Amino acid sequence: DAMVIQNPRYQVTQFGKPVTLSCSQTLNHNVMYWYQQKSSQAPKLLFHYYDKDFNNEADTPDNFQSRRPNTSFCFLDIRSPGLGDAAMYLCATSRGGFEGSPLHFGNGTRLTVT
Amino acid sequence: AQKVTQAQTEISVVEKEDVTLDCVYETRDTTYYLFWYKQPPSGELVFLIRRNSFDEQNEISGRYSWNFQKSTSSFNFTITASQVVDSAVYFCALSERSSGDKLTFGTGTRLAVRP
Repeated sequence: DAMVIQNPRYQVTQFGKPVTLSCSQTLNHNVMYWYQQKSSQAPKLLFHYYDKDFNNEADTPDNFQSRRPNTSFCFLDIRSPGLGDAAMYLCATSRGGFEGSPLHFGNGTRLTVT
Repeated sequence: AQKVTQAQTEISVVEKEDVTLDCVYETRDTTYYLFWYKQPPSGELVFLIRRNSFDEQNEISGRYSWNFQKSTSSFNFTITASQVVDSAVYFCALSERSSGDKLTFGTGTRLAVRP
């Protein structure tokens, strides 16, 4: 089945220690998104790639970076995680160029910062 | 600016009861899309339905039905004969033509279905 896969499912990192979360997709969608979801809150968009074009949200901290080496993979790098960065990180994809295209989400990576 | 309001934070029902989840939206675009997603305890957001702003037909899919009313800017979701497996957080979301496919989510409604 075509899908969005996030690894790892759970990630523990230390305060200030860089961490990378990964996302891969077999849907061949050209748009990939990273959302942050804190406990009991709505998902919040951090940034997205439309093909190779990177689009950062205005309020996304500089601490968060992303890489998309090819169509299938996208990475979220947190350079110096703080306690406030503990959250569920959700990767999603969509078919760009089709208005109202629904997003397809992975099952998320839950990040704990100790 | 676009906005989605889900006023019900938590709802608890007994199995087989019907339940309606409310969603009210704000947008200045004339072309927009409304969505419902389900987030079970496992964490994945599961796409349930999409409606565009030009299609106000209500939709039914099994036990699920959706009522879209532009006059009240609402897109409500009803589960008929609820089951324990329906327990999840449900998010209503909006995307506008002017913003591409970027979704604005409501704050979600946590539904608990008790046996």
